[in-house]
Amino acid sequence: EAGVTQSPTHLIKTRGQQATLRCSPISGHTSVYWYQQALGLGLQFLLWYDEGEERNRGNFPPRFSGRQFPNYSSELNVNALELEDSALYLCASSFIGGRTEAFFGQGTRLTVV
Amino acid sequence: QKEVEQNSGPLSVPEGAIASLNCTYSDRGSQSFFWYRQYSGKSPELIMFIYSNGDKEDGRFTAQLNKASQYVSLLIRDSQPSDSATYLCAVNAPDSWGKLQFGAGTQVVVTP
Repeated sequence: EAGVTQSPTHLIKTRGQQATLRCSPISGHTSVYWYQQALGLGLQFLLWYDEGEERNRGNFPPRFSGRQFPNYSSELNVNALELEDSALYLCASSFIGGRTEAFFGQGTRLTVV
Repeated sequence: QKEVEQNSGPLSVPEGAIASLNCTYSDRGSQSFFWYRQYSGKSPELIMFIYSNGDKEDGRFTAQLNKASQYVSLLIRDSQPSDSATYLCAVNAPDSWGKLQFGAGTQVVVTP
């Protein structure tokens, strides 16, 4: 069974640009979560999508946004990139949003220069 | 106030010994508890989950939950060099379903 897949693996952007990160959940999972992990820091919750709706949001500015598609895949958009947005962005998926185990993808390493 | 707290370590453990990791949480209503292992530069890997008070064993790993004292622990028996990683405790509370709260992680170093 395929795990959570994220693309691209690495992404380099210039300050002020937009970045789009993609995530495909494990088959059968309807919930997708996004986390940010800056170098040497812990995982910070960004967004939770379930059944196509945004269910919960972390303490991030509105330039961090996303959506979930009918096939439950998801994308995270970061507008007006800032240097401090450089981090590992992790996507996770689970059954029955929030109530069961979540499994992570390999992450997208975003570097803003 | 941090919602999920762990000792940052590093926790140095001789090969073959037991590694004991602790995690405390502030939300008394928390119901789901998870342990993830994260190797440097990699994504977290789920290794244990526990929902009820008591012990849960899976291979060399044992998770222990005490809701009254608001702590969850992870024991790693017969520690191997491949167990050297950062272990993340995560907690999910009913009033924030979907928002797994992670601790900062405990770095474990298993020495041959």
